Order: sequence, then structure tokens, then C-alpha cells
Amino acid sequence: DAKTTQPNSMESNEEEPVHLPCNHSTISGTDYIHWYRQLPSQGPEYVIHGLTSNVNNRMASLAIAEDRKSSTLILHRATLRDAAVYYCILRDLRGSQGNLIFGKGTKLSVKP
Amino acid sequence: KAGVTQTPRYLIKTRGQQVTLSCSPISGHRSVSWYQQTPGQGLQFLFEYFSETQRNKGNFPGRFSGRQFSNSRSEMNVSTLELGDSALYLCASSPWYSDNTEAFFGQGTRLTVV
Repeated sequence: DAKTTQPNSMESNEEEPVHLPCNHSTISGTDYIHWYRQLPSQGPEYVIHGLTSNVNNRMASLAIAEDRKSSTLILHRATLRDAAVYYCILRDLRGSQGNLIFGKGTKLSVKP
Repeated sequence: KAGVTQTPRYLIKTRGQQVTLSCSPISGHRSVSWYQQTPGQGLQFLFEYFSETQRNKGNFPGRFSGRQFSNSRSEMNVSTLELGDSALYLCASSPWYSDNTEAFFGQGTRLTVV
């Protein structure tokens, strides 16, 4: 299964942008890059996903490197509610099993 | 639109017993996945169902089983419970079986085995 590497933890100040990196050097051409986050005592929550092009939605932006070996989740203005564990996941139903394979994720702390 | 509903929210069972957990997906969603979350192993995939058929299965012993009904509701069963089965069990639903769609997770069922 294609694996991802993320920093264990990151800190941010409230109302500042946050860039969460993810390395996936063994990504295949058909792997989608998904991001989920998990707030304390809740189930994971979908954030964004993409294949090759950068993606934007109301929650965040996803910047995908040209060679697709890395990506960055961008929170434009961090709020206290964004404090969570962020998971970068590769998914390809034509590949291994297609399920969401969660790594350890990045624990984001947001300081007021 | 109601979210993914998992019942019960909390459960305490004795070692050796069996347990059944239920998941009602978002209306119209046909794919349901199950995950186990523990402090030591993190989030691990159990199985995924689409249109009443198991499409994928994770690396768990045969004591873990599941099924999906024609209305897309799903149940998972764990037989001969062990202390190590204590975990948060999460269910996720998706509109269809695809790598190009998001999954919506429920709040989970917290199972404690004593």
C-alpha cells in the first residue's frame, strides 16, 4: 500500500494560515490524495481530496506537487476549532484494497 | 439530512461474549465501511460493503464479521470478545464505491471489554 509521511505535530496561531505537509513518494498514477481530520472525541471528518490539480473548498485548499510526490493542506485562517489530528491518505480502488489507510497523522495545536 | 448514526454509543461486555454494532448510513449512501480505533494502533480498516456485498476486508481475525442490508444499514459482529477488542468502532458511509468521493463518519461506538 502506498504510504504517507506527516510530521507528528505542528503549532499555529489563531487567524494565521497553516500549511500541513504530506510526503507520498511512492504514489501511483491512480491514487487520490485525501485529507481527513479528527477533532477530540469525534469521528474523522472529510476535509478535501484531489488527484493532480490543486483543489479548493470552503474548509481548505489542497496543493499537489507537480510530480505528485507531496501535497500540502492549507488552512487559510486557523481557528481554535481547527485543532485536530489531520490525516493524509492515499486511496485507489484499482490498487491495494481501496480502503482509507490512516497513518499517525499530524496533531495541530492552535494558540489563541 | 441526518448524518451517520451508530448505535449504541457505549457498550460494556465481558470477555468471551459477542457483540453486534449497528450503523445507519446517510440516506442514499450505499457504501459502508468499518474502522477500529485504539490508542496503540490508531485507525484500522475492518471491512467495506457496497450493495450488500463485502468489497474489501482488513487484516482482522475471523471473529470480526459484518453484513449490509438492502436498505444499506450495516452491522458488525465480534464474537468471543477479548480484552484487546476494547476500542472505538467507527462506521463511515459514502454515496457509492469510489476512490473519488468522501466518506462521512459517525460518532462511533465505544466498546469496553472487561
